[in-house]
Amino acid sequence: RKEVEQDPGPFNVPEGATVAFNCTYSNSASQSFFWYRQDCRKEPKLLMSVYSSGNEDGRFTAQLNRASQYISLLIRDSKLSDSATYLCVVNSLIFGTGTRLQVFP
Amino acid sequence: DAGVTQSPTHLIKTRGQQVTLRCSPKSGHDTVSWYQQALGQGPQFIFQYYEEEERQRGNFPDRFSGHQFPNYSSELNVNALLLGDSALYLCASSGTSEVYEQYFGPGTRLTVT
Repeated sequence: RKEVEQDPGPFNVPEGATVAFNCTYSNSASQSFFWYRQDCRKEPKLLMSVYSSGNEDGRFTAQLNRASQYISLLIRDSKLSDSATYLCVVNSLIFGTGTRLQVFP
Repeated sequence: DAGVTQSPTHLIKTRGQQVTLRCSPKSGHDTVSWYQQALGQGPQFIFQYYEEEERQRGNFPDRFSGHQFPNYSSELNVNALLLGDSALYLCASSGTSEVYEQYFGPGTRLTVT
């Protein structure tokens, strides 16, 4: 089983839609969790940390479910500019393969 | 405030050759991590340097080695290049006080022929 698993997508959604990605992890002792965004042929950029109590940053909400060992990212009111690959990261260093999001007009 | 910089941006090498990639961390950061990203995959952790020592290492062979200098910049060396080493090599830096949040450089795209 991979340490971190993500649905590769692509998720094709219309502008204004709400979309959610999950990411599962295998190590129950994992401590730190993040979501990064990566545009085509660019470097990953930190989107947000994921806190135990869940956290929100504008249209983005991240949640952690330790019992089921997954983290999630919810994007509300999708914009064309949200089109990218979303990478989850566990223990700072272990990346998932990424989920591709394509928002269409 | 300069972000993470890497050089060169692109590189073409032949199988069996050796390559050195360079990284300068974001100002104020002292920890540097290296990743390999193959097409369509997520970044794979190679190793991390802190205080000029390798602090953690991923599942990469000894052909991959590194170094960190007193100014916190870092090098990644790969010996005996294989075709499968073709990838984007990313450097990320973080600060001691925020060691878990990493900032990436633009990467070096290595092609092995």
